[in-house]
Amino acid sequence: EVQLVESGGGLIQPGGSLRLSCAASEFNVSDDYMSWVRQAPGKGLEWVSVIHRFGNTYYADSVKGRFTISRDTSKNTLYLQMNSLRAQDTAVYFCAREGNGFDLWGRGTLVIVSS
Amino acid sequence: DIQMTQSPSTLSASVGDRVTISCRASQSISSWLAWYQQRPGKAPKLLIYRASSLESGVPLRFSGSGSGTEFTLTISSVQPDDFATYYCQQYNSYPFTFGPGTKVDIK
Repeated sequence: EVQLVESGGGLIQPGGSLRLSCAASEFNVSDDYMSWVRQAPGKGLEWVSVIHRFGNTYYADSVKGRFTISRDTSKNTLYLQMNSLRAQDTAVYFCAREGNGFDLWGRGTLVIVSS
Repeated sequence: DIQMTQSPSTLSASVGDRVTISCRASQSISSWLAWYQQRPGKAPKLLIYRASSLESGVPLRFSGSGSGTEFTLTISSVQPDDFATYYCQQYNSYPFTFGPGTKVDIK
């Protein structure tokens, strides 16, 4: 089954770091454009970052310089390294495959930034 | 950045009603617009891409229209499964942006 499964979320103190993972099945993350999208509790969707097929990366201004997107083709996994976390980063983080729109989503992993 | 707005923010409907949700972009995005449905606690689901193309497996009662800056999602006859929040999203340029959402609830 074609799917994405996120992991790595949890409770982290402000200023801390966390790495999210997104494992893909039945397709190669390196063949597609892959994004992270987040949703704060009770709020709307916010695009965070993308990595293109050839490795180009783009970020939302709200995370630029703090978050890094990457992938490991041997593990067929997408990552989001999050540093200098803030309370405003509290959200469910989804990974998603970008085709015409985001046609495949994971279930999400919850990140809570709080002391 | 391209700003996306949606109206209304909330919509009350009865089963069988025709429902229309509007989405506006702050600048032209051609037809690079997608619509998603999200139920509570679930990931968004792609309904429409390129403004008017129906994603595989999505019921025919969903349709999209528009281009440039004005777009519409229509549900021709709302079913119980359709009570959810709907988001538009532009993918004309980074940063991709979503509308604030329209919640469709039961009248």
